[in-house]
Amino acid sequence: GENVEQHPSTLSVQEGDSAVIKCTYSDSASNYFPWYKQELGKRPQLIIDIRSNVGEKKDQRIAVTLNKTAKHFSLHITETQPEDSAVYFCAASDTNFGNEKLTFGTGTRLTIIP
Amino acid sequence: DTGVSQNPRHKITKRGQNVTFRCDPISEHNRLYWYRQTLGQGPEFLTYFQNEAQLEKSRLLSDRFSAERPKGSFSTLEIQRTEQGDSAMYLCASSGDRGAYGYTFGSGTRLTVV
Repeated sequence: GENVEQHPSTLSVQEGDSAVIKCTYSDSASNYFPWYKQELGKRPQLIIDIRSNVGEKKDQRIAVTLNKTAKHFSLHITETQPEDSAVYFCAASDTNFGNEKLTFGTGTRLTIIP
Repeated sequence: DTGVSQNPRHKITKRGQNVTFRCDPISEHNRLYWYRQTLGQGPEFLTYFQNEAQLEKSRLLSDRFSAERPKGSFSTLEIQRTEQGDSAMYLCASSGDRGAYGYTFGSGTRLTVV
């Protein structure tokens, strides 16, 4: 089955700086890679996703890049703000043949230092 | 209908007792997923339903676990003879026809087995 590794487990950055979180996956058939943000005591929320036919996707201050050859994908947050502090999870899925489950990484706790 | 609702939010039970959690999905969503999240880990897939049919179960779902979605609306997850290792956050998510591309998570039920 799929295995997703995520690094780093904790990350502290100064407000206004950029943050990068990296994930690697094992199953070359995976074709969908979402990122979820989970604030303390709240539900995971999808913030951005990318499919395997695209190398990069951007939404305002958030971007995701995918390298299918190396089987890794990364989340980039620019101009970080205090409200970006949360735990971020990457996930991977092979959505072919009706599969609908996500395999998650272990999470990165991002702290923005004012 | 403002989202996925899970009850109770917290449950403390003694080892050996049975517990049942409920998930009410977004009303128009026909797909419902259960995940388990332990401290410091990402969510792990347990099972999922399309309408009332349970289509996939993880190896994590031992014989003590059972999930139902009798009328294709709300779902229950029951754990019999609870063990301390069952202590975790149990997350429910729902999705429409977008499947893995359109998860909306609930806020979870935190189970503590003492």
